[in-house]
Amino acid sequence: DAKTTQPPSMDCAEGRAANLPCNHSTISGNEYVYWYRQIHSQGPQYIIHGLKNNETNEMASLIITEDRKSSTLILPHATLRDTAVYYCIVTGAGGTSYGKLTFGQGTILTVHP
Amino acid sequence: DTGVSQDPRHKITKRGQNVTFRCDPISEHNRLYWYRQTLGQGPEFLTYFQNEAQLEKSRLLSDRFSAERPKGSFSTLEIQRTEQGDSAMYLCASSLAGLGQHNEQFFGPGTRLTVL
Repeated sequence: DAKTTQPPSMDCAEGRAANLPCNHSTISGNEYVYWYRQIHSQGPQYIIHGLKNNETNEMASLIITEDRKSSTLILPHATLRDTAVYYCIVTGAGGTSYGKLTFGQGTILTVHP
Repeated sequence: DTGVSQDPRHKITKRGQNVTFRCDPISEHNRLYWYRQTLGQGPEFLTYFQNEAQLEKSRLLSDRFSAERPKGSFSTLEIQRTEQGDSAMYLCASSLAGLGQHNEQFFGPGTRLTVL
């Protein structure tokens, strides 16, 4: 799986958008970008994934650059409960693909009142 | 609550003892994963099952570690002759794999192991 690079920490004011960047310059054509987060003392939680198009769900938006070498996770209106470690992961999507998740260090997002 | 449960949630043991953890995945999920997480690090993959077959083991999984998934339902992870370096959070995850499915893994709350 391709390696990802994320900033170690970021801050965000409550109610503002949180934009979390991720670099994955060695991503291959059939690999997806997944985002998970881990709130303190809990297991990781799936947020969103994408291949090449931008994606949006009830939790977040995912913007993938045209060359697919980087992406940004956007939490449109961050709340205190969004304080967590956010992991950007590149992997196969499933089906006959293996599916192992390779977590890096992630970005610690702290949302301030 | 993701629907994945793990038991026990906490385990304290003495060095050299054997421990066994259990994971109950979401019932219709055919894939089950074990990860280990130490303080300040992201989870590391240990092993994975497709139904009852164990398809890959990480180099992290030494001979003291064994995992099973009888009948493709719950799974157990056993550590024999525990060492202090085994102290970590052990996470289980499950997913539904197949054509048209994507790799959303649902994680349990983890079992925190402390080896004294």
